[in-house]
Amino acid sequence: AQKVTQAQTEISVVEKEDVTLDCVYETRDTTYYLFWYKQPPSGELVFLIRRNSFDEQNEISGRYSWNFQKSTSSFNFTITASQVVDSAVYFCALARSNYKLTFGKGTLLTVNP
Amino acid sequence: EAQVTQNPRYLITVTGKKLTVTCSQNMNHEYMSWYRQDPGLGLRQIYYSMNVEVTDKGDVPEGYKVSRKEKRNFPLILESPSPNQTSLYFCASRRVAGGLGSGTQYFGPGTRLTVL
Repeated sequence: AQKVTQAQTEISVVEKEDVTLDCVYETRDTTYYLFWYKQPPSGELVFLIRRNSFDEQNEISGRYSWNFQKSTSSFNFTITASQVVDSAVYFCALARSNYKLTFGKGTLLTVNP
Repeated sequence: EAQVTQNPRYLITVTGKKLTVTCSQNMNHEYMSWYRQDPGLGLRQIYYSMNVEVTDKGDVPEGYKVSRKEKRNFPLILESPSPNQTSLYFCASRRVAGGLGSGTQYFGPGTRLTVL
């Protein structure tokens, strides 16, 4: 069975602080994909990144960076110099060969001015 | 514009009154899926479809039906809604051709359903 754990239910930071959202996953599959989605207060789900199980390179996109470590089954997401517009619920998810997405319960990030 | 659309976006209904939430995608995706989102539970899959006339249960299928008669549409049917089906519902789609790494699941805007 697959499982995605986002241990941080809520995080509150002040603007310009760096913040890391943790994601730990469980799967027996050797081929799988990991995702991060953002859900702003307006409610839609916005795709942020996909990473496959064979690619452990870290990725940076502007203020966002992702650290995938297979040895610890973790796929953490860091926002550098956070902004108020980053306030949202962030979901980590795992997809296996049947395309089903298993989501974590989400982390509510609040960035205060 | 590539998109997944859902209708209605908001719906308040009463227990037992059959309803359908429509989902349509214009990306020619084979795979479509329904999720429900509840506070503290994240998103859970209700049903999914790998292609036309191929559907299967997800994690929480009780009380729901789906059909996939056309590739672009995947309606969610609640034959006799109950208050515990009050939730935020998302439809999603993705391509299958090319394998798991060939695409990403894209989500509709969500339908907020309240069953009184």
